[in-house]
Amino acid sequence: DARVTQTPRHKVTEMGQEVTMRCQPILGHNTVFWYRQTMMQGLELLAYFRNRAPLDDSGMPKDRFSAEMPDATLATLKIQPSEPRDSAVYFCASGAGEKLFFGSGTQLSVL
Amino acid sequence: GDSVTQMEGPVTLSEEAFLTINCTYTATGYPSLFWYVQYPGEGLQLLLKATKADDKGSNKGFEATYRKETTSFHLEKGSVQVSDSAVYFCALSRPVGSNTGKLIFGQGTTLQVKP
Repeated sequence: DARVTQTPRHKVTEMGQEVTMRCQPILGHNTVFWYRQTMMQGLELLAYFRNRAPLDDSGMPKDRFSAEMPDATLATLKIQPSEPRDSAVYFCASGAGEKLFFGSGTQLSVL
Repeated sequence: GDSVTQMEGPVTLSEEAFLTINCTYTATGYPSLFWYVQYPGEGLQLLLKATKADDKGSNKGFEATYRKETTSFHLEKGSVQVSDSAVYFCALSRPVGSNTGKLIFGQGTTLQVKP
């Protein structure tokens, strides 16, 4: 079965360190989303891309977060510098038609 | 802006009980409506969807009807199983042509089914 692959599954880091999360969308999907999930805020849309071009990143703190798609098989989300409030599960999803396929997420803990 | 509101959980039911999880939305026009399910430690999976008023989405015994007059999309199942225990998310989107639009999610409702 085709699936969205995210790495790493878990990441523990110290405050101030750079964090990079990677996502391999399903081949042929032209839309990629990054969501953040926390108990307090639920699922928040951080950014999304169509045909590798960023369409909306209004949900992302621009001073420390950046999202890119260097090619059609890779999306990255970087946090620099990381802070304890960034601790969350980060999901990548790719879309075909109206259906989104989610990865298993990266659980990030910033100490 | 667009938003989705779900009933707060957790919802705790005995096996074979009837399930309703309420969902209402705020949006202009005719967004598409979805229910996604998240099992522990996993990403979300599409459960069902409806794209226009009075459409009924159904899958795995779950159903939801797109009610424009009440701006609702309540999830129902006639007889729940322990394996249905998960977090359920209601969501809306505005597709752009044939492409996926951004999904706006409700806060999620945890369902616990006891044997």
